[in-house]
Amino acid sequence: EAGVAQSPRYKIIEKRQSVAFWCNPISGHATLYWYQQILGQGPKLLIQFQNNGVVDDSQLPKDRFSAERLKGVDSTLKIQPAKLEDSAVYLCASSPLGPWTDSSSYNSPLHFGNGTRLTVT
Amino acid sequence: DAKTTQPPSMDCAEGRAANLPCNHSTISGNEYVYWYRQIHSQGPQYIIHGLKNNETNEMASLIITEDRKSSTLILPHATLRDTAVYYCIVRGDRGSTLGRLYFGRGTQLTVWP
Repeated sequence: EAGVAQSPRYKIIEKRQSVAFWCNPISGHATLYWYQQILGQGPKLLIQFQNNGVVDDSQLPKDRFSAERLKGVDSTLKIQPAKLEDSAVYLCASSPLGPWTDSSSYNSPLHFGNGTRLTVT
Repeated sequence: DAKTTQPPSMDCAEGRAANLPCNHSTISGNEYVYWYRQIHSQGPQYIIHGLKNNETNEMASLIITEDRKSSTLILPHATLRDTAVYYCIVRGDRGSTLGRLYFGRGTQLTVWP
């Protein structure tokens, strides 16, 4: 099966500019996640979608970050305006987990894309 | 928040077994232990997961202690391509965390020739 697709692979912007990242999850996967990974750290969860609804966005800096998942498939993550500390790799992941899922599917692993490396100068 | 403790780094000779430890002393009865790895410039890759019993697949073996407070990931014959950061994660069930993964800093495994 095709994996999680993300674009662009790299992005360099100046502070206060805007940027958007795109994610196409594995076909049929109901749940989509965005993670932020700062150099030297493990990935940090930003937001979780189930179909086109937000399940958890408690770690998303909502004054500058926004995300949407229209039609419950592709998703975009936007930063506006960017700060120097936003420099990181932004990872998208998906899993088949859904509200109708039986308990065994909660053991389905998350599949990650290769991320977008953002540099803010 | 990460509920696991791992050594920051380990190394291993090529062809030998790599044994990566993980402590998860606060794990609850319905939480699974997951292992992922991340090779430089790539996204995390799923390796294996388990609840109580030891598990084995084509990539690795997972040994979970009887009290479930710790586990060990075993790569039976490490190769240079196994050099990566390895994350041990306790995954919640359908409760409040809805199966989310919370990563710590992981263990940097270096396999040398």
